[in-house]
Amino acid sequence: GQQVMQIPQYQHVQEGEDFTTYCNSSTTLSNIQWYKQRPGGHPVFLIQLVKSGEVKKQKRLTFQFGEAKKNSSLHITATQTTDVGTYFCAGSNTDKLIFGTGTRLQVFP
Amino acid sequence: DAGITQSPRHKVTETGTPVTLRCHQTENHRYMYWYRQDPGHGLRLIHYSYGVKDTDKGEVSDGYSVSRSKTEDFLLTLESATSSQTSVYFCAISESGSGANVLTFGAGSRLTVL
Repeated sequence: GQQVMQIPQYQHVQEGEDFTTYCNSSTTLSNIQWYKQRPGGHPVFLIQLVKSGEVKKQKRLTFQFGEAKKNSSLHITATQTTDVGTYFCAGSNTDKLIFGTGTRLQVFP
Repeated sequence: DAGITQSPRHKVTETGTPVTLRCHQTENHRYMYWYRQDPGHGLRLIHYSYGVKDTDKGEVSDGYSVSRSKTEDFLLTLESATSSQTSVYFCAISESGSGANVLTFGAGSRLTVL
């Protein structure tokens, strides 16, 4: 069945450093979504990418969808302590979203 | 999000006892989902519903049943809880069942089975 893997599982950075998490699917995706979950909280939708090679930005966050639509990345520039949490990608090639395993980001001040 | 509530938020129970978790939405969304979250596994779909009395299995449905008698309520039942069902359970809703539809999650229910 379809699998979505994320790396790294954990990332510790100093405040101000950049951070990137990668999402890889075993199959071609029709779209990919990104969610953020703060510690003790619930996943919250960030963005959706649909087109091959698509790039979207939200302030310091940059999201990319690969040309083959099998991978995606989230890059945070100059991390802040408010970026702490777990970032999940979720991909679909049918009517169901498959979530990646998540990347937990810790930011040290 | 204010439009979706889960109860109870925390529960401790013993192996072999039945447990029911409730998800209530005020958004009138057709689709409702139950996920479990465990370290190293991300979010895994247990069951979902695409309308009143219409439900289907997800990838980890064994040991769980669901019911949806009203649009706004989606119940998840563990008939006989086991320690492997210790987890955080999230309910989610979406307007449609398309894989492109955004999910809105509830605050979660933390279940501990002793």
